[in-house]
Amino acid sequence: DAGVIQSPRHEVTEMGQEVTLRCKPISGHDYLFWYRQTMMRGLELLIYFNNNVPIDDSGMPEDRFSAKMPNASFSTLKIQPSEPRDSAVYFCASSSTRGLSRYEQYFGPGTRLTVT
Amino acid sequence: SQKIEQNSEALNIQEGKTATLTCNYTNYSPAYLQWYRQDPGRGPVFLLLIRENEKEKRKERLKVTFDTTLKQSLFHITASQPADSATYLCAPQFSGGYNKLIFGAGTRLAVHP
Repeated sequence: DAGVIQSPRHEVTEMGQEVTLRCKPISGHDYLFWYRQTMMRGLELLIYFNNNVPIDDSGMPEDRFSAKMPNASFSTLKIQPSEPRDSAVYFCASSSTRGLSRYEQYFGPGTRLTVT
Repeated sequence: SQKIEQNSEALNIQEGKTATLTCNYTNYSPAYLQWYRQDPGRGPVFLLLIRENEKEKRKERLKVTFDTTLKQSLFHITASQPADSATYLCAPQFSGGYNKLIFGAGTRLAVHP
């Protein structure tokens, strides 16, 4: 199994530009989570999906952030326009509600975003 | 609001000793609690899950306890090794959603030879 795949691994962009982060969850997992990690705030949940439907987006900081999951194998997190304070590592994770490993979350390698 | 507290200071121990990390939570009762390990530059990796009706869970050199009265979980690594050096994150289930976790800030463990 390939695990959770994220792209790009690193993104450097200028303030005001649009940024799109991508995630491919583990095949068969029905939950997908987007997190942001910074030194100051730790690991924060932004939004999560169940069967491609957004369940809770209360962690999305502002309207500049949006997330979609058009199918079971792909999700995007978009920031438009980006600001320097959005600089962080963004993780995607997936989990399954079935089997012995249910509720365990499997994290991708993360995307390190730097907004200058 | 729900709050998670982990040892904010780094924990330094000698190889072969037992490391004990603490996680306290307030204002709610999670149905389960998970522990993750995170190495620099990598995503968290799941280690153990313990449910509210379980007092203790073990996996190889790892042991987790869950005291719902004290609202505390302890994470132990016995016979610690330098390879155990990492940040350990406590993640209780969040009351707003059964699959939703709230992560603590983590405790950095350094095991010295």
